[in-house]
Amino acid sequence: ETGVTQTPRHLVMGMTNKKSLKCEQHLGHNAMYWYKQSAKKPLELMFVYNFKEQTENNSVPSRFSPECPNSSHLFLHLHTLQPEDSALYLCASSQVVRASQETQYFGPGTRLLVL
Amino acid sequence: AQSVTQLDSQVPVFEEAPVELRCNYSSSVSVYLFWYVQYPNQGLQLLLKYLSGSTLVKGINGFEAEFNKSQTSFHLRKPSVHISDTAEYFCAVNTGRRALTFGSGTRLQVQP
Repeated sequence: ETGVTQTPRHLVMGMTNKKSLKCEQHLGHNAMYWYKQSAKKPLELMFVYNFKEQTENNSVPSRFSPECPNSSHLFLHLHTLQPEDSALYLCASSQVVRASQETQYFGPGTRLLVL
Repeated sequence: AQSVTQLDSQVPVFEEAPVELRCNYSSSVSVYLFWYVQYPNQGLQLLLKYLSGSTLVKGINGFEAEFNKSQTSFHLRKPSVHISDTAEYFCAVNTGRRALTFGSGTRLQVQP
C-alpha cells in the first residue's frame, strides 16, 4: 500500500531537539489527518485539515505544530517534546464527499521515541 | 459524545476456527461504523464499513460485520481464521465530526 507515505518511519530525538514528520498522499484526496497511537490507549485524533485549512485541533499541546502546504502534503513539526510524547504517529487522508461517510486511508506511521 | 468499546483486548484462537470480535458504540445520532486492521509495524487498513442499507457488511479477507442498532453493536466475524489474520483490529465510529473515534483495539492471535 503506497497511497499514503510517511517519513521517517522511525525517529529518536532528545527533548531539546526540533524535528518534522512528513506525510504525503497520492490518492487525490482533499482532507488529511494526524493521529497519535500510544501503547494501551485508543488512537487519538490530533489535527484535521480540509482543503489545506485546519478544521480541528483536538487540544494538542503547542509543542506539536502542523503544516499543510497543499492537499497532498502534511507535516508535523516537533519541538521540546516530552518522553510521554513517544508514540506511533499516523497520518491519514480522505476525499470529502459527505460528512462522516468518508473512508480514511492511513500511512504506515512514524514511531517516535523521545529521550 | 460518541464512544466505542471493544470488550476484548486479546482473543486467542486456533487456526481454521471461527472468531468474533466485539464492538459496541455509544451515540445519540446516526452513526457510520468502520473496522480497521493493523498488522505489525504497519498503518491501519480498512476491513469494512457500514454507512447505510443492509446491516450485514462484507469486507476483505473473508471478514464480515453486522450492524445491530438496538444493541448498538457492530461485531466482526470470520468463519475460519488463518495465521495471517494475526493482527490488531480496531472498531471506529463517525457521527459527523469529520474524524474517527476509535476503540482501544483487540489483538487477534491465531495459533496453529
